[in-house]
Amino acid sequence: NAGVMQNPRHLVRRRGQEARLRCSPMKGHSHVYWYRQLPEEGLKFMVYLQKENIIDESGMPKERFSAEFPKEGPSILRIQQVVRGDSAAYFCASSPPNPAGEQYFGPGTRLTVT
Amino acid sequence: RKEVEQDPGPFNVPEGATVAFNCTYSNSASQSFFWYRQDCRKEPKLLMSVYSSGNEDGRFTAQLNRASQYISLLIRDSKLSDSATYLCVVNPFQGAQKLVFGQGTRLTINP
Repeated sequence: NAGVMQNPRHLVRRRGQEARLRCSPMKGHSHVYWYRQLPEEGLKFMVYLQKENIIDESGMPKERFSAEFPKEGPSILRIQQVVRGDSAAYFCASSPPNPAGEQYFGPGTRLTVT
Repeated sequence: RKEVEQDPGPFNVPEGATVAFNCTYSNSASQSFFWYRQDCRKEPKLLMSVYSSGNEDGRFTAQLNRASQYISLLIRDSKLSDSATYLCVVNPFQGAQKLVFGQGTRLTINP
């Protein structure tokens, strides 16, 4: 059973460009979460999605960041007009439909903004 | 005050030693608790859930004290492969599915 998949694993963008990060949950999991880990810091929750619905986006920055989880295809985290402070590891996690709370993480996308 | 606080370490212990970490959380309504481990530049991996009655998985024992709002992890007979950062994780609200992570405690097991 394949785990959570994320791509790309590494992404380099110049300031002002757009970054698109993709996440495919584990088979059978319908809940997706995005977290950000800044250098030398802990993981911070960004957004929680189910298919076609954003359930909790309380951790998302108000501007430039958006997320979706369409009916078909992976979840996408989009960052518009990236700035140097967006450089971080972005982890996606998934959990099954009746979660006991555990979440399973993908390998992450390391975004570097130059 | 941070929602989840951990001693960042680093802890350096010899192979075979017993090591214990504690973590405190601020939200008394928190519902579920976990320990994850994170190797350098890798994703967090679930180590174990933490139950009120305490639970054990091989060399690892987790305890929860709701009255004092702290969680502990004990590692016995430590191995070189236990070297990692250990993350204390809390699900703060019933029904909510966001996890709140502590900053992590770095552990190095020395031969």
